[in-house]
Amino acid sequence: GAGVSQSPSNKVTEKGKDVELRCDPISGHTALYWYRQRLGQGLEFLIYFQGNSAPDKSGLPSDRFSAERTGESVSTLTIQRTQQEDSAVYLCASSPGATGDGYTFGSGTRLTVV
Amino acid sequence: GENVEQHPSTLSVQEGDSAVIKCTYSDSASNYFPWYKQELGKRPQLIIDIRSNVGEKKDQRIAVTLNKTAKHFSLHITETQPEDSAVYFCAGSNDYKLSFGAGTTVTVRA
Repeated sequence: GAGVSQSPSNKVTEKGKDVELRCDPISGHTALYWYRQRLGQGLEFLIYFQGNSAPDKSGLPSDRFSAERTGESVSTLTIQRTQQEDSAVYLCASSPGATGDGYTFGSGTRLTVV
Repeated sequence: GENVEQHPSTLSVQEGDSAVIKCTYSDSASNYFPWYKQELGKRPQLIIDIRSNVGEKKDQRIAVTLNKTAKHFSLHITETQPEDSAVYFCAGSNDYKLSFGAGTTVTVRA
């Protein structure tokens, strides 16, 4: 596609429920990243995919968080048993290669846990 | 891993004046330093970047300088305009991962 697409754009969920966030990267981009941005704060790295493997999951906050990617295409970030501290904007980015440049961000999913 | 610190956290400037944001990084192996602009409710967008083999780069009213010895880099915006009001993030990378500063909220007063 022309850009990185994320869905849903907004999600309100009850504490304890599971949520799935979707990211559709730019076609041909082999690298895909998930970041979390809490209100008024910077971007916190969660996970990096190269193709469908995740060589760096070091930013996932707990075992309630998981992510997968199908080939060099769509990725889903799943948060199980959501907590109020999970409320944030979840941003996905993709890049042509694994060099740190060429990141293009999606518009994010604003998750609110009530 | 890389740790990027950014100052100031907020910056208010009069329209037409210059704005300067400074960042420091910890990993001497970092070699790529982009700056992103994020308007309220929007995605971060790359505005300028610099690599470690370059000391300065300019694009119209924005410029970035890099001091590898001191491990710091700065964003300079000249002749600020109201549309420059946004949050600006610096970042550093030596491989696939960008490590971001905490952001600077820039407000341009008319």
